[in-house]
Amino acid sequence: NAGVTQTPKFRILKIGQSMTLQCTQDMNHNYMYWYRQDPGMGLKLIYYSVGAGITDKGEVPNGYNVSRSTTEDFPLRLELAAPSQTSVYFCASSPPAGTTDTQYFGPGTRLTVL
Amino acid sequence: AQSVSQHNHHVILSEAASLELGCNYSYGGTVNLFWYVQYPGQHLQLLLKYFSGDPLVKGIKGFEAEFIKSKFSFNLRKPSVQWSDTAEYFCAVSGYSTLTFGKGTMLLVSP
Repeated sequence: NAGVTQTPKFRILKIGQSMTLQCTQDMNHNYMYWYRQDPGMGLKLIYYSVGAGITDKGEVPNGYNVSRSTTEDFPLRLELAAPSQTSVYFCASSPPAGTTDTQYFGPGTRLTVL
Repeated sequence: AQSVSQHNHHVILSEAASLELGCNYSYGGTVNLFWYVQYPGQHLQLLLKYFSGDPLVKGIKGFEAEFIKSKFSFNLRKPSVQWSDTAEYFCAVSGYSTLTFGKGTMLLVSP
């Protein structure tokens, strides 16, 4: 199993550009999550999904959108990039027990908005 | 809503020193508690977790944590650290559908 994979690894955007961060897991996990990690701030939840077709906002959803059309994929969309979205983005997944079970993280995407 | 507080942002130790990282949480329901570790340049991985039962939980690489309900704490310990333990450590508490992470503690172990 590849686990949780994310693409791209690095990206530089100009203010106002849009992009999609890809996340795929091959563990047949129901739950998937998107976090952003900023220095000294820990991980903040952006969006999460408890299954295909179901998504919900986390702590910091503004400026982002998600969709979950399949169990495996959970892309994160930035519509109008802003410097405040410069961060490292992690996708994670967990088994059907959800938050009572381990979350498995992807390698992250480092995004810079200039 | 749940919250997590980690006491130290940075800890510097020499090899073979003992480690204790503090974590306090607030949550009104039944708690599930986690410690995750992020080695330099790598993604987060689970160190250990507490759901119920024995409040002393053992994890990978010789780490352990003790859940003290009366103090709302879940401190991480290791009797003797190694240079390879240099990493950032995150405490987390689970709520209804999500995890809430603390801000992290950066541990630097000097050889």
